[in-house]
Amino acid sequence: NAGVTQTPKFRVLKTGQSMTLLCAQDMNHEYMYWYRQDPGMGLRLIHYSVGEGTTAKGEVPDGYNVSRLKKQNFLLGLESAAPSQTSVYFCASRDGTGNYGYTFGSGTRLTVV
Amino acid sequence: GIQVEQSPPDLILQEGANSTLRCNFSDSVNNLQWFHQNPWGQLINLFYIPSGTKQNGRLSATTVATERYSLLYISSSQTTDSGVYFCAVEPYTGGFKTIFGAGTRLFVKA
Repeated sequence: NAGVTQTPKFRVLKTGQSMTLLCAQDMNHEYMYWYRQDPGMGLRLIHYSVGEGTTAKGEVPDGYNVSRLKKQNFLLGLESAAPSQTSVYFCASRDGTGNYGYTFGSGTRLTVV
Repeated sequence: GIQVEQSPPDLILQEGANSTLRCNFSDSVNNLQWFHQNPWGQLINLFYIPSGTKQNGRLSATTVATERYSLLYISSSQTTDSGVYFCAVEPYTGGFKTIFGAGTRLFVKA
């Protein structure tokens, strides 16, 4: 049981490049989330999903897009990366029917130069 | 939107000491969680505690929802307790969003 797996773990992008971060969970969780964490700060919600085929905006959605085509996967896309998007990105999932505790992935460290 | 404030922002303890971390929130919440982020960046769920008191080993948490605060108690601290402790709340009107506080950074000295 792998839990929540994020790929890649590290990435360096040039300004203007695009990329997709993948989050996969094997716990049959309904809800999935993407957060970013900047140095010395808490986590800020980018986008989230309450089920397959659904997505919604969080606190800081600008510059990002997401898709949830399969229940187990939640993709985060950057269409045109900017230095302000340099951050550590965390994916989380939770069971929407009982235990509301989050399970987090190990994070993706993204640097935009 | 809801405001989540954690105190103190930084805390240094001698191994074996006890501590209390506080989380205040500005509006009604559906649930509240405490997380520990270790020095390697991994986030671990400690408690899901929308109200009441829970204990897990040396850690315990209490949430008083009517007064909009939660407390995390660490007893007999160990060096492995070092890291950042986050409080996260799902606002009652938030539509499944969970909002994090800025965290309490704890360092336990041997």
